[in-house]
Amino acid sequence: ELKVEQNPLFLSMQEGKNYTIYCNYSTTSDRLYWYRQDPGKSLESLFVLLSNGAVKQEGRLMASLDTKARLSTLHITAAVHDLSATYFCAVDIKDSADGLTFGKGTHLIIQP
Amino acid sequence: NAGVTQTPKFQVLKTGQSMTLQCAQDMNHNSMYWYRQDPGMGLRLIYYSASEGTTDKGEVPNGYNVSRLNKREFSLRLESAAPSQTSVYFCASNVHRGYGYTFGSGTRLTVV
Repeated sequence: ELKVEQNPLFLSMQEGKNYTIYCNYSTTSDRLYWYRQDPGKSLESLFVLLSNGAVKQEGRLMASLDTKARLSTLHITAAVHDLSATYFCAVDIKDSADGLTFGKGTHLIIQP
Repeated sequence: NAGVTQTPKFQVLKTGQSMTLQCAQDMNHNSMYWYRQDPGMGLRLIYYSASEGTTDKGEVPNGYNVSRLNKREFSLRLESAAPSQTSVYFCASNVHRGYGYTFGSGTRLTVV
């Protein structure tokens, strides 16, 4: 059974600070996804990481994937209030149609 | 391009009532999925359909049935709603074994 664990589950931080969200998963997979969800909204795709060592950046967010360690990180640089949201990582198995397995999400609050 | 459309957006049911959640996609995707989202639990897979004519159980299928009506439509039915089925339901689709998942806007269901 594929399991995905995120930590922390809740994070309150100040604007301007840096922080990292961690995502561990339990079985071999080359594909790792990061989503953002605002309250009452659907999921917005942030990054799709498709291979070991993949690194992607968009604005103040950077995601990386280490398939050997079964670990992905989402790094936030110089946080701003607009990044307050819940962030999910998810994994699926290449060549499988079983869909995504999600972590429980990290509720991020960025305070001025 | 509408993407994935879910109806209704909100619904209140009494215990024991039945209802069908509708999902349609216009991207010619083969695979479709139903997830439920509960606070602190992330998204959990209820059922999925890898291709037209096939359906399979996910992590939490009890109390639900699905129908893949055609390539575009994938419905989720609650035969006898229970308060434990109060949740937000998301439909998603992707190209068969592809990595581009598209999510609908969600259905917020309350069972009283």
